[in-house]
Amino acid sequence: DGGITQSPKYLFRKEGQNVTLSCEQNLNHDAMYWYRQDPGQGLRLIYYSQIVNDFQKGDIAEGYSVSREKKESFPLTVTSAQKNPTAFYLCASSIDLKGRNEQFFGPGTRLTVL
Amino acid sequence: KQEVTQIPAALSVPEGENLVLNCSFTDSAIYNLQWFRQDPGKGLTSLLLIQSSQREQTSGRLNASLDKSSGRSTLYIAASQPGDSATYLCAVRSGNTGKLIFGQGTTLQVKP
Repeated sequence: DGGITQSPKYLFRKEGQNVTLSCEQNLNHDAMYWYRQDPGQGLRLIYYSQIVNDFQKGDIAEGYSVSREKKESFPLTVTSAQKNPTAFYLCASSIDLKGRNEQFFGPGTRLTVL
Repeated sequence: KQEVTQIPAALSVPEGENLVLNCSFTDSAIYNLQWFRQDPGKGLTSLLLIQSSQREQTSGRLNASLDKSSGRSTLYIAASQPGDSATYLCAVRSGNTGKLIFGQGTTLQVKP
């Protein structure tokens, strides 16, 4: 059963802590993405990766970091430098970065700062 | 800078009605346009993908059209059902990064 999994579903963070959100896909896709969704603002791109060991900043990368050590995995770390991290985080993938390819999304992780 | 707008922000209809959701974008140089469905607290489900060279795509009761020159797309839902209640998002892909630019969505409620 192919798809994208994200964990945990809910995550609570104390101020000053770093937390890591997991994203795994078994679609054999090269490209992976992280988006952030805030009420009334739609989705915005945080980071994207074209291939293993390569990743690029999106529109709102400040306070976030990623790694891409395996094709299947693209974890996102929310650092203490991110001033307003409370949001819904969505991971996505596509065959590659070519414009014609469909993006598929995971179920999301809701992060709340206490 | 590409901007995507969806109108209306919310829509409530009785069951059985045919309805149209609108999406407009400012830069016609797009690779494709995707329509998604999002249920509360859930991820996005891809409904339809229209390539820039296509005029429309159909899946079941859904039909999406694309008019690149005018920067518009519509999602037509036939014979709406309560199970269609959700937020519908459109997104365009226009650069080599693969980034999708999203509209803010239309929240649809179909009343039994």
